Amino acid sequence: QVQLVESGGGVVQPGRSLRLSCAASGLTLSYYSVHWVREAPGRGLEWVAVVSFDGRNKYYADSVRGRFTVSRDDSKNTVFLQMGSLRPEDSALYYCATVPIFAVTNLRSWVYGMGVWGQGTTVTVRS
Amino acid sequence: QSVLTQTPSASGTPGQRVTISCSGTSLNIGSNTVNWYRHLPGAAPKLLFSGDDQRPSGVPDRFSASKSDTTASLAISGLQSEDEADYYCGTWDDSLNGYVFGSGTKVTVL
Repeated sequence: QVQLVESGGGVVQPGRSLRLSCAASGLTLSYYSVHWVREAPGRGLEWVAVVSFDGRNKYYADSVRGRFTVSRDDSKNTVFLQMGSLRPEDSALYYCATVPIFAVTNLRSWVYGMGVWGQGTTVTVRS
Repeated sequence: QSVLTQTPSASGTPGQRVTISCSGTSLNIGSNTVNWYRHLPGAAPKLLFSGDDQRPSGVPDRFSASKSDTTASLAISGLQSEDEADYYCGTWDDSLNGYVFGSGTKVTVL
């Protein structure tokens, strides 16, 4: 069974850092580009970042560029989101998601959006 | 403010058909494929359509999707109570070099 499990969320003070993990089971994550998406209460879905299947391409939303870094460790079948200089507006439920399976063979697979999603991990930034 | 514009809400009685539109530009919908997602707040979003109109296995054929120029559409036929959810379109934006979601449409079954 294909599954993505996020972890690492919690309560943190403004200006601090947090690292989220996205661990995959039932699939070889190294074949997939992986997105991070967040959902803040009442604000809908917001795309955060993506890392390509080979780790060479990384893209970020303007709201997090320069503060967040996405990376991957394929030996652990895991993708990470390092979040720094956190702000209250970063408080949200964070999801990781792979690209759809049909996109795997495409060199720019990340443009095809999200296929399999995790259940999310909650980040709360407050004093 | 979302790059992709969706009608905030849509509703219908059981059995009716509802259509949701998603409007963008030549730099996003006009040049990349569109996905549709079903989402209940606090739960994992679910992919409904990818590649503009490709329905993954397990998605009922009551759901259909299409795209024309810079507008994408999602239709739900034979509306059922379990279809109540938020529906989002999404695509890559070549000018932002990032993925963008629509503002979301809340579907209510009356």
